Amino acid sequence: DTGVSQNPRHKITKRGQNVTFRCDPISEHNRLYWYRQTLGQGPEFLTYFQNEAQLEKSRLLSDRFSAERPKGSFSTLEIQRTEQGDSAMYLCARQDGASTDTQYFGPGTRLTVL
Amino acid sequence: AQSVTQLGSHVSVSEGALVLLRCNYSSSVPPYLFWYVQYPNQGLQLLLKYTSAATLVKGINGFEAEFKKSETSFHLTKPSAHMSDAAEYFCAVSGRRAGNMLTFGGGTRLMVKP
Repeated sequence: DTGVSQNPRHKITKRGQNVTFRCDPISEHNRLYWYRQTLGQGPEFLTYFQNEAQLEKSRLLSDRFSAERPKGSFSTLEIQRTEQGDSAMYLCARQDGASTDTQYFGPGTRLTVL
Repeated sequence: AQSVTQLGSHVSVSEGALVLLRCNYSSSVPPYLFWYVQYPNQGLQLLLKYTSAATLVKGINGFEAEFKKSETSFHLTKPSAHMSDAAEYFCAVSGRRAGNMLTFGGGTRLMVKP
């Protein structure tokens, strides 16, 4: 158990629909990361939070993507007007303290856009 | 900028044979280096990490890796493969800067033959 849960585990949607994913880390007020992993590739960084502040966003995070972390606890990632290219595994990770600490990953949410 | 190259997208070994998965990195600052394992439809599990202590790092499940600065390498080894080692393995680098986001390689799928 990595102390990170993600819901839903699987999401199938039609192109143009909006979707929202949730990440719940076991501990609060730490760093939380979102990554995207397409089939056959390594994960790619999307964005991260320090407590409730979103400190960095990758250029992969287009205007259709938005992430929030109210109160520094759980986080949500929303994709508006989904496209087939958004189909991927979306991974959330927590990091509890020092920069040398491990990032613990959740099981991911697999998104399929039809 | 950072990057990771994993040589060999697929590696096949016999059960009981040596496992060697190659990773080369590029980083403008002293790196932190990680190996993660991913089983089908699951998140990533940390195998081991290098954070500037001993250059030979021992991890879980009998894996180890050696940081070689002169070769910019961090290859993963295991003396004797087990069927349960069959999975996808990812090498990642973090640049010790604010954020500590991970940059992953493309992954190596390890197959273990009986």
